[in-house]
Amino acid sequence: QSALTQPPSASGSPGQSVTISCTGTSSDVGGYNYVSWYQQHPGKAPKLLISEVNKRPSGVPGRFSGSKSDNTASLTVSGLQAEDEADYYCTSYAGNYNWVFGGGTKLTVL
Amino acid sequence: QVQLQESGPGLVKPSETLSLTCTVSGGSINSYYWTWIRQPPGKGLEWIGYISDSGSPYYSPSLKGRVTISLDTSRNQFSLRLSSVTAADTAMYYCARHVSKTAADSWGQGALVTVSS
Repeated sequence: QSALTQPPSASGSPGQSVTISCTGTSSDVGGYNYVSWYQQHPGKAPKLLISEVNKRPSGVPGRFSGSKSDNTASLTVSGLQAEDEADYYCTSYAGNYNWVFGGGTKLTVL
Repeated sequence: QVQLQESGPGLVKPSETLSLTCTVSGGSINSYYWTWIRQPPGKGLEWIGYISDSGSPYYSPSLKGRVTISLDTSRNQFSLRLSSVTAADTAMYYCARHVSKTAADSWGQGALVTVSS
């Protein structure tokens, strides 16, 4: 199975909105509503931001939202804050109890 | 609040077997899948596999044949064994709790394993 495709980098100024895409195939992103997003700060373990395309776990700010259209999922960060500067990874269920990750996107807050 | 902690050797020789254990505290093993994910230095995340609370393992196709995940419910632990390692297996290894087909909602802090002679 191939990794999901994410842009290597994204950026925005404080207060702006940024959207990160995650493109897969009909066998993963397009076939299931089990896309998750994780945030990882340097030297830290990943943290769950979004599950099942658009569900935010308790404690995750409402500035983070997820969506999906066909084979592409997206994470939108609204009202960018300095602490949002981190790496972001998408993952999708790929059938047969398999999961596939995206290559990651480094978000820079200008 | 569930906590996960990885433990095991930080250095493994090429061709040998990497072994790590994840200890789960503050929560039950039941009703979840227990996952291993790795991250080579400076690179992205890779799903290794997981095991159900009933002990059924599922592995990444790219690692199948080299990986074994097992569960010890009496000790609230699950383990990873990766055989015939090479330098390409050098990575931070994370254990995590996976909520069925949804997401990994709790992670350990990670264990760095270096493959080198």
